Amino acid sequence: AQKVTQAQTEISVVEKEDVTLDCVYETRDTTYYLFWYKQPPSGELVFLIRRNSFDEQNEISGRYSWNFQKSTSSFNFTITASQVVDSAVYFCALSESVIQGAQKLVFGQGTRLTINP
Amino acid sequence: EAGVAQSPRYKIIEKRQSVAFWCNPISGHATLYWYQQILGQGPKLLIQFQNNGVVDDSQLPKDRFSAERLKGVDSTLKIQPAKLEDSAVYLCASSLALVGQGYGYTFGSGTRLTVV
Repeated sequence: AQKVTQAQTEISVVEKEDVTLDCVYETRDTTYYLFWYKQPPSGELVFLIRRNSFDEQNEISGRYSWNFQKSTSSFNFTITASQVVDSAVYFCALSESVIQGAQKLVFGQGTRLTINP
Repeated sequence: EAGVAQSPRYKIIEKRQSVAFWCNPISGHATLYWYQQILGQGPKLLIQFQNNGVVDDSQLPKDRFSAERLKGVDSTLKIQPAKLEDSAVYLCASSLALVGQGYGYTFGSGTRLTVV
């Protein structure tokens, strides 16, 4: 069965520090997709990134970067030069195929990130 | 394109009462999901529809929760009777249902339910 583990429940850093959020997953499929979502205090889930299991290239988007390693089943997320606006709960999620051609999205427990000024 | 619409935004009910939530997915999205997010936890899938058929309802407490998507478009999630532990945000999401394509999931703003 699918499983996503975010071992860090809460992280608190001072603004401008770099911070890495860990994500480890379990799946039986060879084709799957990994996601990161941000949930600010307002509550909506904001999509950040989607990677498929065949693309292990690291990705950088501004201050955000993602490191995908199939060998360790990890998909870690790094924020460089953190800002107060980055404060939110971050969720890692795994999507794999299920019956009837649909896909199922399973979330980790989330990491609450607090950036202090 | 319009996003996933959910209503109401907030609901407060007493335990043992019933409540219903509505979701209208993005046009053309065949797959619709209902998630329950208890405070401090990640969203948990309750039920997944493919058009008007149920794909997965293994985590739906069927003694009190029900959901339907009669015409394969909008959906209703009902709780009857509600318990205190049902207090949570109920999120609806939709996606294109193409195997192996990994299209993104679009989430609604959620309904925050408080059972007192």
